[in-house]
Amino acid sequence: QITLKESGPALVKPTQTLTLTCNVSGFSLSTTTVGVGWIRQPPGKALEFLALVYWDDVKRFSSSLKSRLTITKDTSKNQVVLTMTDMDPVDTAAYYCAHTKLGVYRYFNNWGQGTLVTVSS
Amino acid sequence: DIQMTQSPSSLSASVGDRVTITCRASQGISDYLAWFHQKPGTAPKSVISAGSRLESGVPSRFSGSGSGIEFTLTISGLQPEDLGSYFCQQYYSDPVTFGGGTKVEFK
Repeated sequence: QITLKESGPALVKPTQTLTLTCNVSGFSLSTTTVGVGWIRQPPGKALEFLALVYWDDVKRFSSSLKSRLTITKDTSKNQVVLTMTDMDPVDTAAYYCAHTKLGVYRYFNNWGQGTLVTVSS
Repeated sequence: DIQMTQSPSSLSASVGDRVTITCRASQGISDYLAWFHQKPGTAPKSVISAGSRLESGVPSRFSGSGSGIEFTLTISGLQPEDLGSYFCQQYYSDPVTFGGGTKVEFK
């Protein structure tokens, strides 16, 4: 059974760097075709893709946010970490990590419960 | 980036109604499209992939159709547990992108 769980600070101040961790189980981050991505959703708004890392360390980023994002994986710890620099109140959102697989079914088929991050001074 | 436009942005329907939601891509994406259902306060859950493939465990009242630019999600016989928001996602090209969402409420 694939599960993912996000963790990180609930509150960050403007200009700070956000670090979120996704702990995964039920699959290995080193298995061929596996990927884990991050998606966010401001309250009452749409989903927005942020970043994705595949088993072979290939990475994909949102075009508009890529300068602020870093994504890494630690296979031994079953973790994927997202960092976002220069946080702003407009970055207030629920942040989700999700599982995907490279190939013809490259959609997010399993999601974590999400973690709400508020940006405020 | 490929833009995904959903319509309507919201709708009100009654239990038993047939509901149709449309997603339009800014360029052709073959059938590389998934639909998600998100109940209030929970994470999205995939209901359709590859344009028309029903995900395991999803009731057969859900169906998807379309290819290329225009796609449709249909709920045939709306049930109370179907309320919430629906999103489409294209995975034809990077970066993957989502539609703006459709909120389904009951009359």
